Parts: sequence; C-alpha cells; structure tokens
Amino acid sequence: DIQMTQSPSSLSASVGDRVTITCRASQSISGFLSWYHQKPGKAPKLLIYAASNLQSGVPSRFSGSGSGTDFTLTISSLQPEDFATYYCQQSYTTPTFGQGTRLEIK
Amino acid sequence: QITLKESGPTLVKPTQTLTLTCTFSGFSLSTSGVGVGWIRQSPGKALEWLALIYWDDDNRYSPSLKSRLTITKDTSKNQVVLTMTNMDPVDTATYYCAHRPRGVATRFDYWGQGTLVTVSS
Repeated sequence: DIQMTQSPSSLSASVGDRVTITCRASQSISGFLSWYHQKPGKAPKLLIYAASNLQSGVPSRFSGSGSGTDFTLTISSLQPEDFATYYCQQSYTTPTFGQGTRLEIK
Repeated sequence: QITLKESGPTLVKPTQTLTLTCTFSGFSLSTSGVGVGWIRQSPGKALEWLALIYWDDDNRYSPSLKSRLTITKDTSKNQVVLTMTNMDPVDTATYYCAHRPRGVATRFDYWGQGTLVTVSS
C-alpha cells in the first residue's frame, strides 16, 4: 500500500486566515491525489481531484498543488463552513486516504 | 442528480458475514469509466477504502481486506453489493458507498449518507 501522511494532524485558525495542509505519499503518485473535507456526522465531500482540479461547485478559495510525493491544499480565506476534517486520497494504486487534518476555530 | 444510499444490518455478531447494498440513481453502472466504491470509517478514525467495482465488472480490493471482501453489481437494479466475511468488533464502522466518475484518476464525487454497522455479540 502507498501510505499517505498529512500534516499537521490538527490546526486552529480564524475566519479569514489562509491555511495550508500538506499530504505526503510514501512513493511517487504522479498527480493522482484528491482532497475531501468532512463535517461531523456527514459524508466526505470532494474538493480537489488530480492534485489541482477544483470539483464542480466547490468555492474557488480552495486550491491544490503538487506532484510526485508532496501535495498541498490551500484555503485562501477561511469561512465558517470550512471548519472540518480534511483528507487526502491517492489513486495511483488502490486508493488510500491520509489520516486526516482537523481544522478548528481559534 | 446522483444519489446513493446504503442499506443493511446495523448489528452483526462476530464471525458473521456482513452484506451491504448500495442503491443508486442518476447514473448507470454500464457507462464506460464509471464505478462504485465502498469506504468505511471507524468511530473517530480516518477513512478506509475497501473496494471498487467498475462498469465492466472489473473490481479492486483493499490488499489488507481482500480475502474477506466481495463486491458485485446488478446493473438492472442500480445496486452494488459488498459482502465482508468473518466480522470482528474492529470492523464496527460507518460504511459508505460512493460514485467514481469517468476519468483516469479515481475519486469519489458523490457519497451516500453512510450506514453504521456495529459488530458485537
């Protein structure tokens, strides 16, 4: 299995902040990386696919970058509805998810 | 509009076999490139991908669970069924099915609401 490691595991931020979450793969996955967020009691929601492609309907404050082993998700200006847990997922081989990053209100 | 919904038992006993059904609408599982996957989440834990079936009956399984999983589809009923044998309390989780759209990269763009399965005697 390809292991996906996210950092940080949790962070606190304020509305309006710029936030970056990192995902590192245990081997190169080219650009086969997606990002989701999940709110308590809800199913995950797809934000970004193929490393940098914004899923339809997702606000443009979300962006993704990276290739190979290192990827980032950036939220340019945090909104109240963005406080959630974020997961990366590789699909270079059979899919695996990162352990999650909990984004909390400061 | 794509929707998916999971159904199955909420409680199973250790060693039993779990059978979950995903009933979907808004897409066809006979469309090239399309698939349906299963993902689970133990309480307070991360997401864990389990299995994926494609429009052409090709399927993929988590290597660590492959021996216990079977995924099948019934295109005429718009259903995908996942069976997991030899259930254990560590398999207690919310089980989600999700739509895999066409394209090279596997991602899941529509999800069911999830169904909580508890494994306990």
